[in-house]
Amino acid sequence: QVQLQESGPGLVKPSETLSLTCTVSGGSVSSASFHWSWIRQPPGKGLEWIAYIYYNGGSNYSPSLRSRATISVDTSKNQFSLKLNSVAAADTAVYYCARVRGEGGVFDIWGRGTMVTVSS
Amino acid sequence: QSALTQPPSASGSPGQSVTISCTGTSRDVGAYDFVSWYQQHPGKAPKVVIYEVNKRPSGVPDRFSGSKSANTASLTVSGLQAEDEADYYCCSYAGLKPIFGGGTKLTVL
Repeated sequence: QVQLQESGPGLVKPSETLSLTCTVSGGSVSSASFHWSWIRQPPGKGLEWIAYIYYNGGSNYSPSLRSRATISVDTSKNQFSLKLNSVAAADTAVYYCARVRGEGGVFDIWGRGTMVTVSS
Repeated sequence: QSALTQPPSASGSPGQSVTISCTGTSRDVGAYDFVSWYQQHPGKAPKVVIYEVNKRPSGVPDRFSGSKSANTASLTVSGLQAEDEADYYCCSYAGLKPIFGGGTKLTVL
């Protein structure tokens, strides 16, 4: 079955760039049937959608993060990635990658999540 | 783009039914039949239990059901079991940009 696995540094310094990768196994990031997303959850708080990337490379961002976030896909490695620049303590969160299905965008498969702490 | 409104907590005894509401606007919940609900146990990733307002993914017990009226969606858990104790989040499509609710902690008494 399809599985997603996040990877990246667990600690990032303020003002630097957070970089995360999601490796997809058991399925293809090139499939036109799905798109792919990043979602985050600050400690003790709710879920926040960050961005989508589509099979054709198109993307869509949360208005609140659009100026700092970049989502990309590497079909040769079957991975997609997130970069978030100029991070601050408020960006400390568990970051999840997820597969998105259907016109209405249901997040049907999630990675286990990776904790990223922004601290000097 | 404000979060959808959910009650912070809900509770019920084993065997009872509990309904969690999710209120949005005519631009999100009221505009599309694309509301989904996610269950999250502590330290775990969310898991979809309802999508497109009232559809259940394979493997989700039929104790979970969803509905929508105007700008408010609802998740009902019938025949509460101990393993249903978790956080629940609603999510609505809002024109290519999904919006999550703030989450509801469901306690099984």
